[in-house]
Amino acid sequence: QVQLVESGGGVVQPGGSLRVSCAASGFTFSFHGMHWVRQAPGQGLQWVAFIRSDGGSEYYADSVKGRFTISRDNSKNTLYLQMNNLKTEDTAVYFCARDPPVQFSPSHLDVWGQGTTVIVSS
Amino acid sequence: EIVLTQSPATLSLSPGERATLSCRASQSVSTYLAWYQQKPGQAPRLLIYDASNRATGIPARFSGSGSGTDFTLTISSLEPEDFAIYYCQQRRTLITFGQGTRLEIK
Repeated sequence: QVQLVESGGGVVQPGGSLRVSCAASGFTFSFHGMHWVRQAPGQGLQWVAFIRSDGGSEYYADSVKGRFTISRDNSKNTLYLQMNNLKTEDTAVYFCARDPPVQFSPSHLDVWGQGTTVIVSS
Repeated sequence: EIVLTQSPATLSLSPGERATLSCRASQSVSTYLAWYQQKPGQAPRLLIYDASNRATGIPARFSGSGSGTDFTLTISSLEPEDFAIYYCQQRRTLITFGQGTRLEIK
């Protein structure tokens, strides 16, 4: 079945770095753009980043631009989010999510993982 | 940035009633609007895309309408499992989400 499984969350100090991953299965990963979306405790959804199916284009929310990098390895069916210079306000559950096939710009998010928790605290 | 404003913040209804949730965009998003449902401790689930298209497996009691800046999600007759938080999302310019509407049991 179609599945996205995030991993790599944890506790990190302000200013630190962390990389979270998302393993995809049950569909042709290389056909789909992919997103990261986060949700701070008790808050709503905030879109973080998108990468095109071939990795050729990336888009970021202003709040993470220059600090976060989205990437993918289509040979491993895996999506990544490298987070540098982390701030306390980056504390959230980070979800990866799939875009419909063969879209060249962000669309809607039709499959979601269960999320991985990132806590930024000293 | 396109801002999406959802109303009401909380909607209290009983099973069997009709629910009408609103999403207003700060500028036109054409029909590039989606709706999601999220239950506590779960990931969001896509309900509606491109304003009025039901996603795969979504019951017919869920419908979406609107274009430009004003959109509506309607649940024709509430089932117990429909009580959750609902978010709208635009894709006209990057991605933004509304702040959510909590649908609670009256």
